[in-house]
Order: sequence, then structure tokens, then C-alpha cells
Amino acid sequence: KQEVTQIPAALSVPEGENLVLNCSFTDSAIYNLQWFRQDPGKGLTSLLLIQSSQREQTSGRLNASLDKSSGRSTLYIAASQPGDSATYLCAVKVANFGNEKLTFGTGTRLTIIP
Amino acid sequence: DTEVTQTPKHLVMGMTNKKSLKCEQHMGHRAMYWYKQKAKKPPELMFVYSYEKLSINESVPSRFSPECPNSSLLNLHLHALQPEDSALYLCASSQGLTDFYGYTFGSGTRLTVV
Repeated sequence: KQEVTQIPAALSVPEGENLVLNCSFTDSAIYNLQWFRQDPGKGLTSLLLIQSSQREQTSGRLNASLDKSSGRSTLYIAASQPGDSATYLCAVKVANFGNEKLTFGTGTRLTIIP
Repeated sequence: DTEVTQTPKHLVMGMTNKKSLKCEQHMGHRAMYWYKQKAKKPPELMFVYSYEKLSINESVPSRFSPECPNSSLLNLHLHALQPEDSALYLCASSQGLTDFYGYTFGSGTRLTVV
């Protein structure tokens, strides 16, 4: 059974700093890994999607990497802003015929201090 | 149109009521999902529909009844719910089950059972 873990569970950093969020998964048989952002009480906003054959994806100040063989992904946020405060979730799409699912990590609650 | 639309945004219902949640997408996606999310927890998969057929039921109690009338619409019928069913209910869609595309989530329905 796929298990996805995110470390740290919570993180507070001053505005302007660069930061890294971590995601690890136990089964490397995945189609892709997706990073989401969730504001309190709201839905999920997709940030980046990395295919299993890719090493990284970039969008603006965000960069996500994937090392499938070691079961790890990182989300790098450059020059953090107060508006980046949210919970960040990583999720892997399991490549298991007849049981394809998106399995979520436990999330990292990020607070950017002005 | 690149959105998943969920209605209503908020719902308060009594334990004897019958209500329905609605989810709609016009992206041509053929897989649709219901997730349940409790506070400070990651989303948990409830149901998966592929090509309008139920593909996965994650042992959800029968008081939750999904329906997929067509490829753009997904409903979740609720009956005789318990207070512990109060949660954020998220709908998502993807192009298909066994592919490398990501998921698009709606903004959710906040359900309170009294």
C-alpha cells in the first residue's frame, strides 16, 4: 500500500526566504506526482505536475523535483511572500491497474511571516 | 473551461434529511472522483467513476450514494447522515484513470450535519 509522508508538518519562515518542502512515498510505481496548495476551508489548487519520467518542473517561483527511485520529491519556493501561506499537499497517482488512485501526503502547513 | 464546479458551497442538514451535492466539469475528462476531507487531514478517496461507471468504492457507508448521469456531471446523494460526516467534500476530475494527466479539483462543499 502506497504511503506518502511530508516533512515538516508545519513551517514558519520570514518573508523573502527560500524554502524547501519534502515529500516521500514508499512505492515507486507511480504515473506522476502532483503538488497542491490549499487555503483554509477551500479546495485544492494544482501547482505543479511531474510525470514519472521527468526530474523537475518549474512555474514562476516554484520548482518541484522528483527522484522516483528513492521515492522523494521536493517543492522549492523562492523569495517567499505572505500570500504563499497555505497548506501544501503532495499526491502520487498510483500505477496499479484497476486501482488507480491519487494518494495524498499528510501536508505541510506553511506560514510566511511579514 | 478549465474548472470543476461544485454546488452548493455550504450545506447544513439534519440527520433525517436527504440532500445532494453536485459536481460539474466541461473539460472532457472521463474520470471523476469524490473525496472527503476532515479538518487538518488530507483528502480521503470515496468514489471513482470512469466513463460514467463506478470504478472504485472505498467501502463508503450506504448513506452516501454516488451517481454519474453523464460524462460532465457527478452527484453525491446524502441520506440519514451522522454528525461525524461533517466535512469538506471535494470533487475532482482527470482525463482518465490510466494516464499521466493530473487532477483538477473543485472548491468543495462544506457540509455540516446537525
